[in-house]
Amino acid sequence: DAGVIQSPRHEVTEMGQEVTLRCKPISGHNSLFWYRQTMMRGLELLIYFNNNVPIDDSGMPEDRFSAKMPNASFSTLKIQPSEPRDSAVYFCASSFRTGAGNQPQHFGDGTRLSIL
Amino acid sequence: GQQLNQSPQSMFIQEGEDVSMNCTSSSIFNTWLWYKQDPGEGPVLLIALYKAGELTSNGRLTAQFGITRKDSFLNISASIPSDVGIYFCAGHRFPLRGGSQGNLIFGKGTKLSVKP
Repeated sequence: DAGVIQSPRHEVTEMGQEVTLRCKPISGHNSLFWYRQTMMRGLELLIYFNNNVPIDDSGMPEDRFSAKMPNASFSTLKIQPSEPRDSAVYFCASSFRTGAGNQPQHFGDGTRLSIL
Repeated sequence: GQQLNQSPQSMFIQEGEDVSMNCTSSSIFNTWLWYKQDPGEGPVLLIALYKAGELTSNGRLTAQFGITRKDSFLNISASIPSDVGIYFCAGHRFPLRGGSQGNLIFGKGTKLSVKP
């Protein structure tokens, strides 16, 4: 079975540039999550979607960050303009949520982002 | 915001030894999850716990959902070199009326090193 697929795996760009990270959730999953991982702060939830609708974006650090989920099989996280402090590993995860509760989240392998 | 206190932060043990790590919280969780992360990869789900008092095994791994719903532990028996990695606990809060229901709160991780 295909897991959560993220692209690119690595991104190195200069500050000020626009960065777009992509995620394909596991087929059939209806919840999608974007996380950021750093040594200092660990894993932080940025935003999550249920049925393609953003539910909680309180973790998005600034207006420079935006996320979309145009359909059930694709999501993007965009940073514009990027800054060196945005350097981190960004993970996408997906799960299946029913009225009874949340099933465990499954993670992609992440995008390692370096802003110079 | 809510936090999970995971301990120890790191462990350096001899191959064959048993390992124990735990997570505590000041808040109640309705689900506890344990993940393992290898370098350059995303967290992989090891064990999911859904009921207070639940004790679940996955091979050499055993995890328990604390009776108070505020803690969980993970044990690894007879450690082997491939157990090396970072182990994360994570908890789902009780659903909040009218509020966010999908947040998974992560601990800071326990870094395990195994000496052959």
